[in-house]
Amino acid sequence: KAGVTQTPRYLIKTRGQQVTLSCSPISGHRSVSWYQQTPGQGLQFLFEYFSETQRNKGNFPGRFSGRQFSNSRSEMNVSTLELGDSALYLCASSWGTEAYEQYFGPGTRLTVT
Amino acid sequence: AQKITQTQPGMFVQEKEAVTLDCTYDTSDPSYGLFWYKQPSSGEMIFLIYQGSYDQQNATEGRYSLNFQKARKSANLVISASQLGDSAMYFCAMRFHTRNQFYFGTGTSLTVIP
Repeated sequence: KAGVTQTPRYLIKTRGQQVTLSCSPISGHRSVSWYQQTPGQGLQFLFEYFSETQRNKGNFPGRFSGRQFSNSRSEMNVSTLELGDSALYLCASSWGTEAYEQYFGPGTRLTVT
Repeated sequence: AQKITQTQPGMFVQEKEAVTLDCTYDTSDPSYGLFWYKQPSSGEMIFLIYQGSYDQQNATEGRYSLNFQKARKSANLVISASQLGDSAMYFCAMRFHTRNQFYFGTGTSLTVIP
């Protein structure tokens, strides 16, 4: 079974631009969660989607948004990029919202200059 | 509020020796899961082991075992017979039955010395 895939793996953007990251979960998994990892703040939960609905949201500004498609693929969008948005963005999938097993993708490393 | 604490920012262990990575947590929720993930320099989080709050026995997965002491709210990871490939960041995480969201510790960087 293929694992969680994230595209692109690396991205360089300029402050003020917007960016869209993509995550394809493991086949059959319906829940996708997003996390931001930075040296200063560590791993922080962004949001979770299940069956195209946002079920849970972390403490991030409205510039961070996401969506999930009917095939469970998810996208995360960050508008008006700031230097502090430079981070590794990790996506994780599980079959349901109460499932404990959650599998992570390789991440997208975003650099904002 | 939920909190995970990993007090060891860096650890060194000799190859083939055992090592214990510490993790303490704080929650008032009676139902939760505790996880350990390994993150090599490539960035991907690799699931190692899981312990449910109601599990009576400590979890084991190959060379990994979780020393779960519920009363002390600790969930230490024990890696036996360390290998060079074990060098990585290790994260302790907690998740709740009603919320599909991980709370992560700050991580421990493990270096295995040949």
